[in-house]
Amino acid sequence: DTGVSQDPRHKITKRGQNVTFRCDPISEHNRLYWYRQTLGQGPEFLTYFQNEAQLEKSRLLSDRFSAERPKGSFSTLEIQRTEQGDSAMYLCASSPGLAGYEQYFGPGTRLTVT
Amino acid sequence: QKEVEQNSGPLSVPEGAIASLNCTYSDRGSQSFFWYRQYSGKSPELIMFIYSNGDKEDGRFTAQLNKASQYVSLLIRDSQPSDSATYLCAVNDDKIIFGKGTRLHILP
Repeated sequence: DTGVSQDPRHKITKRGQNVTFRCDPISEHNRLYWYRQTLGQGPEFLTYFQNEAQLEKSRLLSDRFSAERPKGSFSTLEIQRTEQGDSAMYLCASSPGLAGYEQYFGPGTRLTVT
Repeated sequence: QKEVEQNSGPLSVPEGAIASLNCTYSDRGSQSFFWYRQYSGKSPELIMFIYSNGDKEDGRFTAQLNKASQYVSLLIRDSQPSDSATYLCAVNDDKIIFGKGTRLHILP
């Protein structure tokens, strides 16, 4: 078990472009979470999946953001028409069970929008 | 809106001393509590979780939970320079609600 992996680790894009990030959770973890973290803040919840079902989305997740987990394994997070305010670390975490279990984080994808 | 409050620090502690980190949470119904360590530029790393009132010890780390006071703390004994990091207190509400973190600096 190699832990949660994320790709890419760094992404620099120009304002208005679309970007997509991938997360591979720990195998057999059925819950997958996306968070966003900016400097000096704790991670903020964006959305999570139980297997392939997206169970909750934060109001932080504008209509420019979409997430999928099509086969209940890896997940993608897409940001359309990026804005400078989207610059942040995007973190993925997975959890082995239902609510209350600890979550394990991947290394993150650092997005810079110029 | 559920909240977790932490002092942002920095908290400076001499090497070898005990570092004490504290947080409070707003929802009396919260059941699961976590401490994550985050080095600069890295992702959070789970170091302790606690579900029951009282103390839980793991090596040099002790987590303390007082549900009546809605208070969680983390003690780090025999502090080492490698413990210098930001410590995030978190509450599990299906998703995790994080505090802003306390920066800890261990002085050699």
